[in-house]
Amino acid sequence: SQKIEQNSEALNIQEGKTATLTCNYTNYSPAYLQWYRQDPGRGPVFLLLIRENEKEKRKERLKVTFDTTLKQSLFHITASQPADSATYLCALGGSSNTGKLIFGQGTTLQVKP
Amino acid sequence: GAVVSQHPSRVICKSGTSVKIECRSLDFQATTMFWYRQFPKQSLMLMATSNEGSKATYEQGVEKDKFLINHASLTLSTLTVTSAHPEDSSFYICSGRRDRASGELFFGEGSRLTVL
Repeated sequence: SQKIEQNSEALNIQEGKTATLTCNYTNYSPAYLQWYRQDPGRGPVFLLLIRENEKEKRKERLKVTFDTTLKQSLFHITASQPADSATYLCALGGSSNTGKLIFGQGTTLQVKP
Repeated sequence: GAVVSQHPSRVICKSGTSVKIECRSLDFQATTMFWYRQFPKQSLMLMATSNEGSKATYEQGVEKDKFLINHASLTLSTLTVTSAHPEDSSFYICSGRRDRASGELFFGEGSRLTVL
């Protein structure tokens, strides 16, 4: 069955450092991969989308890589700030264009001042 | 980004009663909306895909008679949890897709259901 793995342990880093979160998947060939941010008790907020034919995408302090051979995506936040503290979810979408996404369980990031 | 409003944000009900959750796309038309539930520290689990003007498509293992979904207009989808039980207590989140090409989903703020 399809499986998405994100590090379930919280990631603690110091302000100003780069945070790197990992998303691995098996038994799936996604057409695209998305990253969302979720704060406690709130709905997820879209951050970035990267397609299967793209290696890297950037948006301000965010960078996403997508390696379809390794079946892995890395999500980087450079110059991290305490306000970046949240849970980050990766989600995979298929080629059928139904819009359905499969979500990982998320990794909680804590940026300490 | 587009705005999806979900109401109520919190609801407490007695076991055996029904609860309706509304999901509205405020500034775009959503021909498709998705309903998820999320347990603490777990992933979002897709329950069903709601299509405007037609029946919802439910994921395997989701009881369609228990979780009634109605998508009567391009801006409103509702989820009714019928005969709620304590195990239905969860965080329910809806999302809408504004643009088929982008794949980006816009989520509501979620509804915390507690069944006593």
